[in-house]
Amino acid sequence: DIQMTQSPSSLSASVGDRVTITCRANQTITKYLNWYQQKPGKAPRLLIYAASRLQSGVPSRFSGSGSGTDFTLTISSLQPEDFAAYYCQQSASALMYTFGQGTKLEIK
Amino acid sequence: QITLKESGPALVKPTQTLTLTCSFSGFSFTSNAVAVGWIRQPPGKALEWLAHIYGNGDEKYSLSLRSRLTISKDTSKSQVVVTMTNVDPVDTATYYCAHLRADCSGISCYTYDYWGQGALVTVSS
Repeated sequence: DIQMTQSPSSLSASVGDRVTITCRANQTITKYLNWYQQKPGKAPRLLIYAASRLQSGVPSRFSGSGSGTDFTLTISSLQPEDFAAYYCQQSASALMYTFGQGTKLEIK
Repeated sequence: QITLKESGPALVKPTQTLTLTCSFSGFSFTSNAVAVGWIRQPPGKALEWLAHIYGNGDEKYSLSLRSRLTISKDTSKSQVVVTMTNVDPVDTATYYCAHLRADCSGISCYTYDYWGQGALVTVSS
């Protein structure tokens, strides 16, 4: 089965910083990679689908890139509301989907 | 608009069977272009995908939980039900249902774009 590894598991940054989170699959998933944001006590929110497509309503400071096995989520200029947990998820396998272990983005 | 809401018991005893219902609205659930899935999250831990069912009835399950899960749909009631047998305290989690779309404006995407609020289930004697 496909395993997803996110790094880092936690990250401290300041408002205005540029932040990058990576996600690696143990086999190719072409572009079937989604990114979600989750705030405490809330359901996940879709940010990016198909590796690089911005979900409607999501600010343009969020972007995604990558294909095959290596992917990145970039926040170009952190805003206070961006401090949350972020998860990648692969949807390439017809058998099952898999989430990464998450990245907790905290205020420095 | 698309909405989903989970319902079920807040407390279940070990070895019992857990049944959760997802009630949804705002979309047609009759084709293989749409699915409703279940994802859980133990307290303080990561998301874990459990299963989903397409509008055409096709079912997909987590390999590690397949023997304990059953997912079904009642299109007339706009509901998807998941059952988990022989629960254990490690199954304590918030359980989410979510809408999966297979096509995103002509691009094959298979992404969960709408989520329910989640239902916390505690497994304890």
